[in-house]
Amino acid sequence: SQQGEEDPQALSIQEGENATMNCSYKTSINNLQWYRQNSGRGLVHLILIRSNEREKHSGRLRVTLDTSKKSSSLLITASRAADTASYFCATDGLRDAGGTSYGKLTFGQGTILTVHP
Amino acid sequence: EPEVTQTPSHQVTQMGQEVILRCVPISNHLYFYWYRQILGQKVEFLVSFYNNEISEKSEIFDDQFSVERPDGSNFTLKIRSTKLEDSAMYFCASSEFTGGPRETQYFGPGTRLLVL
Repeated sequence: SQQGEEDPQALSIQEGENATMNCSYKTSINNLQWYRQNSGRGLVHLILIRSNEREKHSGRLRVTLDTSKKSSSLLITASRAADTASYFCATDGLRDAGGTSYGKLTFGQGTILTVHP
Repeated sequence: EPEVTQTPSHQVTQMGQEVILRCVPISNHLYFYWYRQILGQKVEFLVSFYNNEISEKSEIFDDQFSVERPDGSNFTLKIRSTKLEDSAMYFCASSEFTGGPRETQYFGPGTRLLVL
């Protein structure tokens, strides 16, 4: 089974618009993290949300987590051309009911966001 | 702001050759990781390392791969006999220890490995 699947696979918007990306996963998690990757470059950490949190904000980013639906969303408000990148969710899965984390991240395929000036 | 660094940024090697990829994690971090991303594919976990031993490894991380923390700052990934399918971007990451590897993982810029 696939963990951390994002949709849409590609999103094209105009500068100033909001961008929403969704992520679904299949197993119990300790936390979910969102990363950004500019073409061919490294992964930049954006935000981490823990399994007992429902919403988190950081600047223009808003992340929600619904553990009952095993889904998360990333909202980027007032997008800029510089936000053009691939966005990945990554889950830190639970090893057991005691809450032990594997400590490894399972990434999705990502959403390619293009923001037109 | 502290960051994870990796060297080299690019490496080209012949099939069957050994390569060592180097990483300097963030200085107060105690958990270290290697991931790889084959072109156009997902980022995949390879191995995690804590307290001088492997704590978790994926099925990709076979006997051809090894990791080492040779001193107090470097963390290396060695591929003994490279194959064409090892061509990928390799990312090192590190995280703080707060009773378990449950924190943000900070990634380096990656080493792009090309096996010919």
